[in-house]
Amino acid sequence: TQLLEQSPQFLSIQEGENLTVYCNSSSVFSSLQWYRQEPGEGPVLLVTVVTGGEVKKLKRLTFQFGDARKDSSLHITAAQPGDTGLYLCAGAEDGNQFYFGTGTSLTVIP
Amino acid sequence: DAGVTQSPTHLIKTRGQQVTLRCSPKSGHDTVSWYQQALGQGPQFIFQYYEEEERQRGNFPDRFSGHQFPNYSSELNVNALLLGDSALYLCASSSRQGQGEAFFGQGTRLTVV
Repeated sequence: TQLLEQSPQFLSIQEGENLTVYCNSSSVFSSLQWYRQEPGEGPVLLVTVVTGGEVKKLKRLTFQFGDARKDSSLHITAAQPGDTGLYLCAGAEDGNQFYFGTGTSLTVIP
Repeated sequence: DAGVTQSPTHLIKTRGQQVTLRCSPKSGHDTVSWYQQALGQGPQFIFQYYEEEERQRGNFPDRFSGHQFPNYSSELNVNALLLGDSALYLCASSSRQGQGEAFFGQGTRLTVV
């Protein structure tokens, strides 16, 4: 059972454009993480959000946790080729078991 | 401070064989989780170990088993390998006392031929 749905599944944009990736679920999570994964590597943690409505910024990346702690979004401003990768959201129900989303594969074209 | 380390990085096995993958968690972490990631997919939860016991398990057959040692390191064993077991196997470490953050190793790429 896939608890987390991400959209879009694939995204190809030009350098300098903005984009938003969505992570939706019918389940409530105690925390939600966003990861970026490059081919052949393990996912690298970008951010953790724990409070409903929380917004965190990491340079050009803005992460938001939904008020009900069921969904999240990742917004990238002025995308660069180095942002290319697979973006994964993961929700933790009890703080230790993580359910991953389906992933969004982002390609930023120079 | 070493992060999560996995070995080997790549492995080729024949259908029907058995394989053991290893993981050392991040310093200070006591919980290890294993995931299977097929090409183009998100990671799928296999099981989680804490205090040397399997605590939670995903929808994987009994051919998948594991172990956690007193130093918190862990092994994933897969018996009677099938072609469909070919995937990137990821180990994630976390702390029961933490905020729910998991840190991943670089993974082991298993190819079954």
